[in-house]
Amino acid sequence: DAGITQSPRHKVTETGTPVTLRCHQTENHRYMYWYRQDPGHGLRLIHYSYGVKDTDKGEVSDGYSVSRSKTEDFLLTLESATSSQTSVYFCAISESVGGNTEAFFGQGTRLTVV
Amino acid sequence: DAKTTQPPSMDCAEGRAANLPCNHSTISGNEYVYWYRQIHSQGPQYIIHGLKNNETNEMASLIITEDRKSSTLILPHATLRDTAVYYCIVEGDYKLSFGAGTTVTVRA
Repeated sequence: DAGITQSPRHKVTETGTPVTLRCHQTENHRYMYWYRQDPGHGLRLIHYSYGVKDTDKGEVSDGYSVSRSKTEDFLLTLESATSSQTSVYFCAISESVGGNTEAFFGQGTRLTVV
Repeated sequence: DAKTTQPPSMDCAEGRAANLPCNHSTISGNEYVYWYRQIHSQGPQYIIHGLKNNETNEMASLIITEDRKSSTLILPHATLRDTAVYYCIVEGDYKLSFGAGTTVTVRA
């Protein structure tokens, strides 16, 4: 299995509080991604990174920010959590892009905003 | 907008081959066909991908039609552990777009 660790695995937080989720990889892959999964929506891309300090928005980026100061770590921050951000969050990594590469996913973080 | 169409669900008998269809009639020349699966609430797992040739690995085979407008994922000998949601994805870059997938239930 690819070396991807997400932390925490479960978190309950209150509306309006900041939350940071961490994705750590040991594969030295250049590309990292954050997805969220909600019932009826499949997985949707939030943000992705194509190198240290290089990030860009996905399709559902509002309310989220990311940072990547090291190759191995990709952080997802909810600046002020809302109930609509209750979801399961998955991190993924890939070695290259261009269509001919597979992505490896972490085990997910279940976030509940109350 | 979804680039692929998959049946919402299908059943398969344990030990038999499972053939999962996927339509991708708008696929462009540089886009690959990927298959992933998600078992229960785990992270998606890569199965196989291809461009235009049929592909086989230790998990499955991928058959892509000559016009590339459809494909079939074949699990040669389905087991109960293959019960999962299977996603067919067409992409030319890194942004995998997951639809609803096909829920496959393998029955003893």
